[in-house]
Amino acid sequence: GNSVTQMEGPVTLSEEAFLTINCTYTATGYPSLFWYVQYPGEGLQLLLKATKADDKGSNKGFEATYRKETTSFHLEKGSVQVSDSAVYFCALRAGAAGNKLTFGGGTRVLVKP
Amino acid sequence: EPEVTQTPSHQVTQMGQEVILRCVPISNHLYFYWYRQILGQKVEFLVSFYNNEISEKSEIFDDQFSVERPDGSNFTLKIRSTKLEDSAMYFCASSVSGEKLFFGSGTQLSVL
Repeated sequence: GNSVTQMEGPVTLSEEAFLTINCTYTATGYPSLFWYVQYPGEGLQLLLKATKADDKGSNKGFEATYRKETTSFHLEKGSVQVSDSAVYFCALRAGAAGNKLTFGGGTRVLVKP
Repeated sequence: EPEVTQTPSHQVTQMGQEVILRCVPISNHLYFYWYRQILGQKVEFLVSFYNNEISEKSEIFDDQFSVERPDGSNFTLKIRSTKLEDSAMYFCASSVSGEKLFFGSGTQLSVL
């Protein structure tokens, strides 16, 4: 079946450091890939997505590129802020919009001033 | 910005009791979902609901679980006879088109 594996946290960084969270997936066909973020006390929010190979999703300084050859969708940000402290979830959706999301385990990121 | 609202934020129940988790999706959304996350584990899909019927459900969603959209605004998840292993954070989500999901902040269910 489909699955998503992401690096375990917590990841602790200083402000302005570079952030990478690794995500790899297993799926048949051509899934859509997503990063969701959960800030403390809130629900998951869509951060960015990519729907086909070599697409780059970007939002709020975060980027991730859909790499079919390595089945990866790593999340990066060049200079993190304290406000980026959150749990980040990689997810895939096989097939059409409306189908279920399959999530990774989540990675907690803590950015210290 | 509109948001998905879940109540209660915490629910404690005794094993074998029925619980109903409530969600108010965003008003013009058409797709509705329940997910859950057991402590330390992945967020798992339970069920999706569209056009007043279940469109997909997981193996977890057995006959102890049911969903309803009773009045066009609420979307509920009922667990008929709770088990210890049902303890988890339950997330409701909704979407206009099924492309971008909006999640509520969750209900933490503790079964004693």
